[in-house]
Amino acid sequence: DAGVIQSPRHEVTEMGQEVTLRCKPISGHDYLFWYRQTMMRGLELLIYFNNNVPIDDSGMPEDRFSAKMPNASFSTLKIQPSEPRDSAVYFCASRGMGQPRTDTQYFGPGTRLTVL
Amino acid sequence: LAKTTQPISMDSYEGQEVNITCSHNNIATNDYITWYQQFPSQGPRFIIQGYKTKVTNEVASLFIPADRKSSTLSLPRVSLSDTAVYYCLVGGDNQGGKLIFGQGTELSVKP
Repeated sequence: DAGVIQSPRHEVTEMGQEVTLRCKPISGHDYLFWYRQTMMRGLELLIYFNNNVPIDDSGMPEDRFSAKMPNASFSTLKIQPSEPRDSAVYFCASRGMGQPRTDTQYFGPGTRLTVL
Repeated sequence: LAKTTQPISMDSYEGQEVNITCSHNNIATNDYITWYQQFPSQGPRFIIQGYKTKVTNEVASLFIPADRKSSTLSLPRVSLSDTAVYYCLVGGDNQGGKLIFGQGTELSVKP
């Protein structure tokens, strides 16, 4: 298996622009998580899905952020409009049905976002 | 979700055993203890998980005392490639798969 795939790996954009980050979870996994990592705040959970349905979005910072999972093999995290403080590394992770405990989340390589 | 406390940083030398202790005083009965490792420019990676006593795998050992209010991750004979941030997490399946990462312990292994 190729693991969790994220694209793009790096994104540089200007303030006010729309940014879309993409994630392909491991095939067969039914949980998908979006995290954000910065030096100041560490690794934060933004939102997670179970069977394509958003379960907890309490970590989404504000209305400028939105996430969708139209099917089991694809998810997007969108920021519109983007701001410099959104600069961070965004990770996607997935977890499979065979793992009943809160362990073994498989993380993607991350997308490094820079908003100028 | 139980809060965890672990040292911010640790230094070691190649070949030494490293023990990182994590405190989780309000751990719940159904909570498991899980450790993740994160290398620079990579996502976190699962290392080991336990509920009580001792767990060992090819990467590390996890020691959990009877009261489960703390746990110790043990890395035998570290190498330079073990330089990473190590996160201790506690949680159970009733949290729906949610993981809350603390600040982690930045381990630096020197030659």
